[in-house]
Amino acid sequence: SQQGEEDPQALSIQEGENATMNCSYKTSINNLQWYRQNSGRGLVHLILIRSNEREKHSGRLRVTLDTSKKSSSLLITASRAADTASYFCALLTGYNKLIFGAGTRLAVHP
Amino acid sequence: EAQVTQNPRYLITVTGKKLTVTCSQNMNHEYMSWYRQDPGLGLRQIYYSMNVEVTDKGDVPEGYKVSRKEKRNFPLILESPSPNQTSLYFCASSGTSGRAWETQYFGPGTRLLVL
Repeated sequence: SQQGEEDPQALSIQEGENATMNCSYKTSINNLQWYRQNSGRGLVHLILIRSNEREKHSGRLRVTLDTSKKSSSLLITASRAADTASYFCALLTGYNKLIFGAGTRLAVHP
Repeated sequence: EAQVTQNPRYLITVTGKKLTVTCSQNMNHEYMSWYRQDPGLGLRQIYYSMNVEVTDKGDVPEGYKVSRKEKRNFPLILESPSPNQTSLYFCASSGTSGRAWETQYFGPGTRLLVL
């Protein structure tokens, strides 16, 4: 399958802790994107990392990409209750389609 | 405000009754697509369009039709809905290059129940 596979499927942490989610894939990619979805709502784009990049930051978010291991990670530092959501990685394998993983459900407890 | 809108947001229908879910974007995006989201399966692409009058199948196109007569609109048509099409549907748009590699902007979703 070309689908990205997120790990873990669910993550429960306390406010202030860091949350790390991983995405593994099997095919070559042009870029990899991370999205957030609050319960039943539309997805919101977080970060795009290109295949020739290794790390990107955006506020409390840090994304890494290891193309040799075909894996990416999303780190959320100093998590807040408002970070509670599902997080998806999406792979751009050609130039017309994004393929989404099944997501990681993050719960941040006050 | 830049946005993607979908209508209706919620729909209950019966097997075989044709329905259309509308999608409209005001960002002059060339690329638009439809996804369905089912528990444990993530988002799966149904159809996409790279520009007006240019559409192509995604991963799960069976039972769906689309059209792209105007740049801003990309309706999803279910000619004869069946219960296995009960799902949460999202429309998304991106970019001015007709490519999917740019940031996708998602609509709020349409929750469809087919009885």
